Amino acid sequence: EAQVTQNPRYLITVTGKKLTVTCSQNMNHEYMSWYRQDPGLGLRQIYYSMNVEVTDKGDVPEGYKVSRKEKRNFPLILESPSPNQTSLYFCASSFLVSTDTQYFGPGTRLTVL
Amino acid sequence: GNSVTQMEGPVTLSEEAFLTINCTYTATGYPSLFWYVQYPGEGLQLLLKATKADDKGSNKGFEATYRKETTSFHLEKGSVQVSDSAVYFCALASTGGGNKLTFGTGTQLKVEL
Repeated sequence: EAQVTQNPRYLITVTGKKLTVTCSQNMNHEYMSWYRQDPGLGLRQIYYSMNVEVTDKGDVPEGYKVSRKEKRNFPLILESPSPNQTSLYFCASSFLVSTDTQYFGPGTRLTVL
Repeated sequence: GNSVTQMEGPVTLSEEAFLTINCTYTATGYPSLFWYVQYPGEGLQLLLKATKADDKGSNKGFEATYRKETTSFHLEKGSVQVSDSAVYFCALASTGGGNKLTFGTGTQLKVEL
């Protein structure tokens, strides 16, 4: 089954404790991206990647890191999480570029205390 | 930069009522336009898309027409069902000047019997 998976689905952590949210797709897609969803703000793009070792900033990259060492994986790293990063996070992938249909993962709900 | 403005929700309708959710955009170049839908507890999925001016996207009884002259992409459905209750996001993507995706804030639709 074609899908985007994210882990963990739920995470409660404390300020400053490094964490990684994994994202994996099995569709051989080139384009992958991360979003955060907040009430009243919709989805905002954090980072995106056009291919292995090619990443670029979205609209809200501060406080986040990403890497793309393999085509199928695109982890989101929070080196020192803060309470304002409490949010619902989505990973998505598409065939080639941003204008292609995006396939979203189920979401990761992160709470930073 | 690019931006998307959607009407605020929630929108509450009776079953079989007509639905319109307004969406306007600001973008450089010639973006592609999308409507994504998010059912409770799930990730987003594509509802319909249009890639150039005057294109009409349609799916599951929903329609939207890419109007360049009014920079709009309003979502319509002639007769809504309870199962259409969800959050609807308008989005635009452009490959010029980067490969970002920009979403609106989302409009929650509640359909009652």
